[in-house]
Amino acid sequence: EVQLVQSGGGPVKPGGSLRLSCAASGFNFNDYTFNWVRQAPGQGLEWVSSISSGGSYIYYADAVRGRFTISRDNTKNSLYLQMNSLSAEDTAVYYCVREDYGFGANWFDPWGQGTLVTVSS
Amino acid sequence: SSELTQDPAVSVALGQTVRITCQGDTVRDYYVSWYQHKPGRAPVVLIYGRNSRPSGIPDRFSGSSSGDTASLTITGAQAEDEADYYCNSRDSSSNLVFGGGTRLTVL
Repeated sequence: EVQLVQSGGGPVKPGGSLRLSCAASGFNFNDYTFNWVRQAPGQGLEWVSSISSGGSYIYYADAVRGRFTISRDNTKNSLYLQMNSLSAEDTAVYYCVREDYGFGANWFDPWGQGTLVTVSS
Repeated sequence: SSELTQDPAVSVALGQTVRITCQGDTVRDYYVSWYQHKPGRAPVVLIYGRNSRPSGIPDRFSGSSSGDTASLTITGAQAEDEADYYCNSRDSSSNLVFGGGTRLTVL
């Protein structure tokens, strides 16, 4: 079964740091680009960051660039998001997402179960 | 603000057809994918590419695009289709971006 299982998250104080992890199974992890997507309370989905299959191409949303670092370990079939200098605006459910390709298109499937990050003093 | 614009809310009578739209200049250049998101659950992809559905997605969901507007059509809406719907594509800098989302109410 194709699966993404997330861990990490929880409460953190403003200015603090947190690391999210995402363990993949059921497919060849090395073949895919991965993304982090978040949803703040009462808001819509927001793309956060992506990393190519080999880790050479990395992109960030403007809102997190310079504070968040995406990485992957292809030997462990795992994706990570290191979040530093957190603020209340980073409070959200974070999803790990595989990016699939075909027919000139790309799409997100599957999604991890989501993990809540709450930034509050 | 998102470069993909969606109506915040749409309603449809049970069994009727509803179209959810996603408007943006980059829709002319990139395919749009569509996601259904229910509270407490992870989003699910409904449509990708020209009009492809993953296995397990009912054929009442279909996608189309014309000019700067992509559409998700639900033909014969069911009660379980009540959810938030998001489009996804790329912005003018080729970064991935979601539309603001459309909340669908099935009456």
